[in-house]
Amino acid sequence: KAGVTQTPRYLIKTRGQQVTLSCSPISGHRSVSWYQQTPGQGLQFLFEYFSETQRNKGNFPGRFSGRQFSNSRSEMNVSTLELGDSALYLCASSSRDSTGELFFGEGSRLTVL
Amino acid sequence: QKEVEQNSGPLSVPEGAIASLNCTYSDRGSQSFFWYRQYSGKSPELIMFIYSNGDKEDGRFTAQLNKASQYVSLLIRDSQPSDSATYLCAVNMWTNDYKLSFGAGTTVTVRA
Repeated sequence: KAGVTQTPRYLIKTRGQQVTLSCSPISGHRSVSWYQQTPGQGLQFLFEYFSETQRNKGNFPGRFSGRQFSNSRSEMNVSTLELGDSALYLCASSSRDSTGELFFGEGSRLTVL
Repeated sequence: QKEVEQNSGPLSVPEGAIASLNCTYSDRGSQSFFWYRQYSGKSPELIMFIYSNGDKEDGRFTAQLNKASQYVSLLIRDSQPSDSATYLCAVNMWTNDYKLSFGAGTTVTVRA
């Protein structure tokens, strides 16, 4: 069974640009969550989607957005990139209508110069 | 006050010893509790979850929950070098909240 797939794995952007990250959940999983991981802040919740609906959003500025498609694949977008957006962005999927038993992808490492 | 706090570490234990990891959480209404392991350069993976007060054992791992004290712990018995990793405590604060709040993690090193 294929795991959670995130693309791209690595990317470098400059300040002011925007970026779109993609996540394909495990087949059959309908919940997709996004987290930002940095050395200073640890894992921070961005948002969660289920059946194309955002059910919760973390305390991030509006520059961070996401969506989920009918096949459960999800994308997140960060506009007007700042240096502080450099981080590992992790996508996780879940098979249940709950939160804790998450299966994480390998992440997309974003560097903003 | 942070929502989830873990003992800062790093924690170094000899092979075969017990590693004890602690986690406290701020919201008394929290519902479910998880331990994730993250190897360096890898993504977190779930190793234990616990919903009710008491102990839950899975192989060499034991999770302990005390909701009255807002405390959850993880014991790793017979520690192996392969257990060297960062352990993340995660809490689901509210039913239907659809998010996990993570602690900063405790890095464990098992000395051979």
